[in-house]
This record gives sequence, C-alpha cells and structure tokens, in this order.
Amino acid sequence: NAGVTQTPKFQVLKTGQSMTLQCAQDMNHNSMYWYRQDPGMGLRLIYYSASEGTTDKGEVPNGYNVSRLNKREFSLRLESAAPSQTSVYFCASSTYSGGTQGTGELFFGEGSRLTVL
Amino acid sequence: EDKVVQSPLSLVVHEGDTVTLNCSYEVTNFRSLLWYKQEKKAPTFLFMLTSSGIEKKSGRLSSILDKKELFSILNITATQTGDSAIYLCAVYLIQGAQKLVFGQGTRLTINP
Repeated sequence: NAGVTQTPKFQVLKTGQSMTLQCAQDMNHNSMYWYRQDPGMGLRLIYYSASEGTTDKGEVPNGYNVSRLNKREFSLRLESAAPSQTSVYFCASSTYSGGTQGTGELFFGEGSRLTVL
Repeated sequence: EDKVVQSPLSLVVHEGDTVTLNCSYEVTNFRSLLWYKQEKKAPTFLFMLTSSGIEKKSGRLSSILDKKELFSILNITATQTGDSAIYLCAVYLIQGAQKLVFGQGTRLTINP
C-alpha cells in the first residue's frame, strides 16, 4: 500500500537553481494538492488539481509551477529557487471529484524537505 | 480572508494528564472541520466534524464542533508519550473545488 509517494525526500539547492518535486498516488484519487509547511504557519496550499488536466492556484503560488501529468502524478517545479522557499513540501490526494461532495479527508505523502542556500 | 487559529501553539504536560486543544475559524463556505495528527512525517486523519454539538470519539481522543461560536476542541484524556505530535485543525471549504485551510498547529509534548 504505497499511497502517496514523493521524491526526493531531501534536497539542497543554491539560489537560482531549479528543481521538480515529484508526486504519485496509487489510490485512483481525482484531486491532488501541494502544500508547504513552515514553523508556526501550519500547512499552506500552493496549487491543487481537481482532475487530470486542470490546475488552480492556492494561497501561496508565487515562484511555483505545477503539472498534472496524468491521474496518478502531480509535480511541483521551482524555476528559480529562493531562500524563502526553504520549507517542507507535502503532496496530498483526495477522492473529491467535483460539486459539493467530498469528505475533506486528505491523504498525505511523507514530505520533501527543501533547503535553498 | 479565510482564517483558522489554533491555541495554544505549544503545550507540555505529564503522562496521564488531560489536554484540550482549541481551534477557531472565520471562513466562508464552511463544509466541515477536520483534525489531523502529525508525528514525524505525514499528517494523518483523526476526525471530521460537520454538525454542532455531536461529539466524535476514538479511544482517548474526542472532539466537538460549535458552529454558532465557530470553534472546535480536541480532548485527549490519560495522555501517553505516544500522543506527542503536532495536532492540526483544518476547515474544509466548498469553493468549486475541495480546499482545506489549516491552522498553525499545536505542538503537544507528553513527558513521562
């Protein structure tokens, strides 16, 4: 039972470098999310995808791009990393498929710790 | 702006104590409130609350929602060291897509 798998788990970048965080889920979920977690600030939504082929901005999208490659995979790209993007990144998925249904329950990956020097 | 505020931000107690964690919210399009537990890595789901006054229980953990006063509490009785974690409160909004707004979290430490 893999659930939600994120790679890499740890990454150190220099300012200005680019990288992509990969996320895959094997639960056949429609919706996928990227959150960042900083001390004292809880989890903040970066981008989400309610279905394959669609993506939308969350609370803190600046400096990031996403790609919903297929139903299983949702990647997060930092084009030019900045020290303010030092954080722990979580990918999540849910069964939500539109309308007013859904439980709100998210299934999280184990996180990717990114440090930008 | 949608807002979820948890208190206290940090709490240290002794094993066996009872703790109460608080979560208040100001949001539009409220659908439900969820509690998550985060130990070392990924948050894991504890409860979902949609109706006021109905307590949800799971072992030593219980939670209740007050939709009039816009808050929820999470109680843990007879705490154990394994309860040490960050407890996250989140409000689920319906805004064309499922979105959760999280509070800052409460870091709970249980000392033996």
